[in-house]
Amino acid sequence: GQNIDQPTEMTATEGAIVQINCTYQTSGFNGLFWYQQHAGEAPTFLSYNVLDGLEEKGRFSSFLSRSKGYSYLLLKELQMKDSASYLCAVKGTGGFKTIFGAGTRLFVKA
Amino acid sequence: EPEVTQTPSHQVTQMGQEVILRCVPISNHLYFYWYRQILGQKVEFLVSFYNNEISEKSEIFDDQFSVERPDGSNFTLKIRSTKLEDSAMYFCASSVWRTNNEKLFFGSGTQLSVL
Repeated sequence: GQNIDQPTEMTATEGAIVQINCTYQTSGFNGLFWYQQHAGEAPTFLSYNVLDGLEEKGRFSSFLSRSKGYSYLLLKELQMKDSASYLCAVKGTGGFKTIFGAGTRLFVKA
Repeated sequence: EPEVTQTPSHQVTQMGQEVILRCVPISNHLYFYWYRQILGQKVEFLVSFYNNEISEKSEIFDDQFSVERPDGSNFTLKIRSTKLEDSAMYFCASSVWRTNNEKLFFGSGTQLSVL
């Protein structure tokens, strides 16, 4: 079976750092994605990890531990516009479909 | 920047009616997908399409659903006899290849309401 777990909601303050965790159990693993989805809009790509370790891209970093089935997305210097849902998604073996978690709604307050 | 376009943005239909949702993927992309998102729930995979045939489908994609690429640019999802539970946002997506790190480009979605 396939299962992707992430917290439902998080709240953080503008300028702060927030870490959004994701654990997964999938039949096969060919990479983990993070997408951002603003309310009423389409998901947009943030990051991809397939090897263990940290990938940094500006204010956003993503970490993967394949042995633990664990990833996190780190957002630094939070801005109000970062208020959105963050979707953890996994590509299994076979390679055609990407399976999404339910998403974490992040609220950034002033 | 090239984008995936979907029409219509909103579709209201009566239960039992057929609907066709339309998508124009990014022009050099080869792989096409439909996902749906019921309000407040997760994005769910429906189907992937490559080289004019379905490459993978989920258990949601039953006989009432079909996909087609009628010409060189459009990609459509047909729901033959809509049910109340088909009400959702339907996203079309495309990717250049199906390599593991290939990100999905999503359209802005069609909000389908079945009454």
